[in-house]
This record gives sequence, structure tokens and C-alpha cells, in this order.
Amino acid sequence: AQSVTQPDIHITVSEGASLELRCNYSYGATPYLFWYVQSPGQGLQLLLKYFSGDTLVQGIKGFEAEFKRSQSSFNLRKPSVHWSDAAEYFCAVGARSGGYQKVTFGTGTKLQVIP
Amino acid sequence: DAMVIQNPRYQVTQFGKPVTLSCSQTLNHNVMYWYQQKSSQAPKLLFHYYDKDFNNEADTPDNFQSRRPNTSFCFLDIRSPGLGDAAMYLCATSYGNQPQHFGDGTRLSIL
Repeated sequence: AQSVTQPDIHITVSEGASLELRCNYSYGATPYLFWYVQSPGQGLQLLLKYFSGDTLVQGIKGFEAEFKRSQSSFNLRKPSVHWSDAAEYFCAVGARSGGYQKVTFGTGTKLQVIP
Repeated sequence: DAMVIQNPRYQVTQFGKPVTLSCSQTLNHNVMYWYQQKSSQAPKLLFHYYDKDFNNEADTPDNFQSRRPNTSFCFLDIRSPGLGDAAMYLCATSYGNQPQHFGDGTRLSIL
């Protein structure tokens, strides 16, 4: 069975500072990996995805993530955080199963941005 | 813009009173999902429809049912809501191996 670990429940960064959110996954084959962001009271918005190919993927809002198979990691990064990035971030691993994609989410990392 | 729309955004019901949450999509995706998300937790998949085929997760309580009358609409029915069912309910859609698209959710409160 697939699983995702986000070791940081809560992270606080200063506006303008760099950001890295950690994600480790467990899956037997090459996974589909995702990062979603959720603002309070909202649904999940896809930031970026990795299916195959280049291990450094670019997403929306200036985010990027790097797939490292040897470390089973898919960490999310942003060089300069903006106050509007304060939200909860979910890493997820997906697997094709009978024509649909079964996605398992991590428990999320809540990002606080201070002035 | 193509999207996933959930109605209502906020729903209040009484303990034991049946409630229905609605989801519609303009993406023409063949798979629709319902997730339950409790405060500060990951979304938990309740069930999904692959076209007209209903697929229940093993640990989804019998109290939760779903209907998909056509490609565009999917409903979540909670037959006898308990206090523990208070949560955000998220609808999502997908096609093939593309990522799931989520609606903004319905926040359900139980009195």
C-alpha cells in the first residue's frame, strides 16, 4: 500500500525567505506525485505534479519540487515566500488502479508567513 | 472556466436528519470522488464513481451513500448524521491518470 509522510506539521517562515517542505513516500513502483495547497475553508488546488521524466518539476505560484527516487522524497521549494503563500500544503502519491487514480494524501504542513 | 462546483458551501443539519451534498462538474471527467476532511487532517476518500460504477472504500460507514445520475452530477447522502460526521466534504474529478480537480468543499455542521 502507498503512503506519504510529511514530517513537519507546522512551519513558520519570514516573508521573502526561502521555503522547503518535506515529503517522503512509500510505493512499490514509480509513483505519481503531487503537491496541493489548501487555503482556509477552500478546496485543494494542484501546485505541481510528477509523473515521469525530468525530476525537477515546476509548478504554479513559483513553486518547484524535486523527485529523488533514492531518498523516496518529493520536497517542495520556493525561493522567496510571499504572505499569500500562508496555507496548508499536502503532498500526495497516486497509483493507477482499474482506470482511476487512487491518491493517498499526507497529513499536511501548515505554513505561517510572518512579516 | 471548467470547474468543480459544490453546493452548498455551508450546510447545517440536525443530529439524525438526512442531508444531501451536491457536486457538479463542467470538465466532463469520467471519475468523481468524495472525500471527508476533518480539521487539520488529510482528506479521506469515501468512495468514487468510475463512469457509472460505484466503488466504496472498505472503511466508509454504511451511513454514507452516493448517487451519480449523469456525468456532470454526483451527490453525497448522509442518512443519519452523527456528531462525528461534522467535517469538510470535498468532491473531486479526474480523467485517466491526470491529477484530480477539487471543488471548494461543503462544510457540514451537526447540531
